[in-house]
Parts: sequence; structure tokens; C-alpha cells
Amino acid sequence: GEDVEQSLFLSVREGDSSVINCTYTDSSSTYLYWYKQEPGAGLQLLTYIFSNMDMKQDQRLTVLLNKKDKHLSLRIADTQTGDSAIYFCAPGGSYIPTFGRGTSLIVHP
Amino acid sequence: NAGVTQTPKFRILKIGQSMTLQCTQDMNHNYMYWYRQDPGMGLKLIYYSVGAGITDKGEVPNGYNVSRSTTEDFPLRLELAAPSQTSVYFCASSSIHRGGLIAATNEKLFFGSGTQLSVL
Repeated sequence: GEDVEQSLFLSVREGDSSVINCTYTDSSSTYLYWYKQEPGAGLQLLTYIFSNMDMKQDQRLTVLLNKKDKHLSLRIADTQTGDSAIYFCAPGGSYIPTFGRGTSLIVHP
Repeated sequence: NAGVTQTPKFRILKIGQSMTLQCTQDMNHNYMYWYRQDPGMGLKLIYYSVGAGITDKGEVPNGYNVSRSTTEDFPLRLELAAPSQTSVYFCASSSIHRGGLIAATNEKLFFGSGTQLSVL
């Protein structure tokens, strides 16, 4: 099955950029998704990228995809305290999504 | 917009007790899933269903049972609760149409707010 790897923690200062990285093994994913989980809540879809794209920008969010290396990243510009959450990478394509362990983003003043 | 509704939000069980975690969705989604989330371990799939009357095991099904008698409901049953089942449980649903062109929205999962279960 699909293996998805993410680092567990990322700590940034408010106003800085955050970059959350993800590597995956299944190259057949048509879409690759990022979900956000705020404390005490379920996951919500944050953004996604089509597999034939290298980059997608959505306001403060930039998704970069290196399909050759099976590497996906999420950049959050001007990180705010409200961005503190767990971020999950989820390659699509199998209809049974596999999630990484999630990266806890900690934003401090 | 109700979306995916899970009940209860919190529950404490004694070892050996049984309970059912309820999940219902009002979006007419065909796929439904149960995940458990342990600290630092991400989400692990317990069971999933591709439609009413059809269920299948995920990665960690032992100790759980499910049924899908209607499109809307997908309850998760714990028959003999064990401390290893202490976790946060999430139900999710998706509208997936196999075959043909895959749209991004086809694979989007909608999650409930979770049930925090402690087995003591």
C-alpha cells in the first residue's frame, strides 16, 4: 500500500513562512491533497494539486509537487497563530486515502 | 449544513464493555470510512464501505465491527472494549464514482468531529 512520510513537528515564528514536507510512494496518484486538523476537530480539506502540475498557489498557500522524487510540500506565507494545527498529506487515486502521521505546526509570537 | 455527524463526542468504557459509535451523513455519499487517531500515529483505517450493504476491512479491523444498512448511517461497534482501543475515532464520507475521469472533488473526504474514547 501507499506509504506517506511527514516530519512530526514544525515550529515557526508568527509572520514567517512555514514549509511542510511530505514524501509518498505511489506514483499513480492523480490528485494530492492537504488536510488541516485544528485542535479538537476533524480533518478538513485545505488544498490539493493535480499530478500534472508543479505548483499551485491559493492565497497564502503554495503547493509544490516534484513527481519524479514523489515529494509534496505545503508553504504557508505569513504564518499566523490561527494556522497552528496538524497538517496531513494524502495522495489520492486509490479511493481509500492513506494519510501520513501529520505535521504539527506550532506558531509562536 | 450537517455534513458528517458523530455521536457521542466523549465516552469512558470499562474493560469488556461494548458500545456503538454512531455516524450519519446527509450528503448522499456512497463511500464511508472509520479511522482511529492515536497521538503521533496519524490516521489508521478501521473499516470502510463503498455503499449500503457493502463493508470491508481496513488496516486495523480487529476488535471492531461495522454495518451499512442505509446510505446515511455507518455505525462502528466495539464488542469487548480493551485499553488498546483508547483513541479518537473519526468517521468520514466521500462521493466517489469509479471509472471515467477522476475529478478532484471525487476523492475529497468530509470528516466528523470525532469521538474520544477511553477504555479503563
